Amino acid sequence: GQQLNQSPQSMFIQEGEDVSMNCTSSSIFNTWLWYKQDPGEGPVLLIALYKAGELTSNGRLTAQFGITRKDSFLNISASIPSDVGIYFCAGQGGGADGLTFGKGTHLIIQP
Amino acid sequence: DAMVIQNPRYQVTQFGKPVTLSCSQTLNHNVMYWYQQKSSQAPKLLFHYYDKDFNNEADTPDNFQSRRPNTSFCFLDIRSPGLGDAAMYLCATSSGGRSFEKLFFGSGTQLSVL
Repeated sequence: GQQLNQSPQSMFIQEGEDVSMNCTSSSIFNTWLWYKQDPGEGPVLLIALYKAGELTSNGRLTAQFGITRKDSFLNISASIPSDVGIYFCAGQGGGADGLTFGKGTHLIIQP
Repeated sequence: DAMVIQNPRYQVTQFGKPVTLSCSQTLNHNVMYWYQQKSSQAPKLLFHYYDKDFNNEADTPDNFQSRRPNTSFCFLDIRSPGLGDAAMYLCATSSGGRSFEKLFFGSGTQLSVL
């Protein structure tokens, strides 16, 4: 089946720093999404990307859909304490198939 | 207001004792999904319903079943829970059409098996 490689697995940063994480796949996806999950909660959609090369922002978050359609990155600028959580990339090949998730990047912010 | 509601938030069951988790949605979405998420892992799709059509993932154990009696509700039945079935179970919905990929998740049910 399809697999997503997400890195880094975890990040320890200082408040105010910028963050970058990425996902790569051996398969082409039609859609890339980035979710954030807080402890004990379900994932919440941050950004959805639909076209190769697309660059989309949501506040301090910016994500890009790679030209090859096999990768995506997420950047967070000027991190704040509430950014703490697990960030998942997810890809979808099309139709009603569920999403394929990466293994997550655990973001920890030190004040 | 919560749009995908899962009950209960925490469920404890005994080894081998059947358990049912429930999910309801107020979004009137066509598609409902059940995911299993173990600690520090990505959510794993178990199955989904597109309206009344049931779609099982190839590697979902037979121990897991689902029912969707109407648009709003979907249930996950675990017939004989094992210790390895302890996990967070996430329900999600999507509207279909051009928005299959926009999944809205509930808060999950954390299942413990004793």
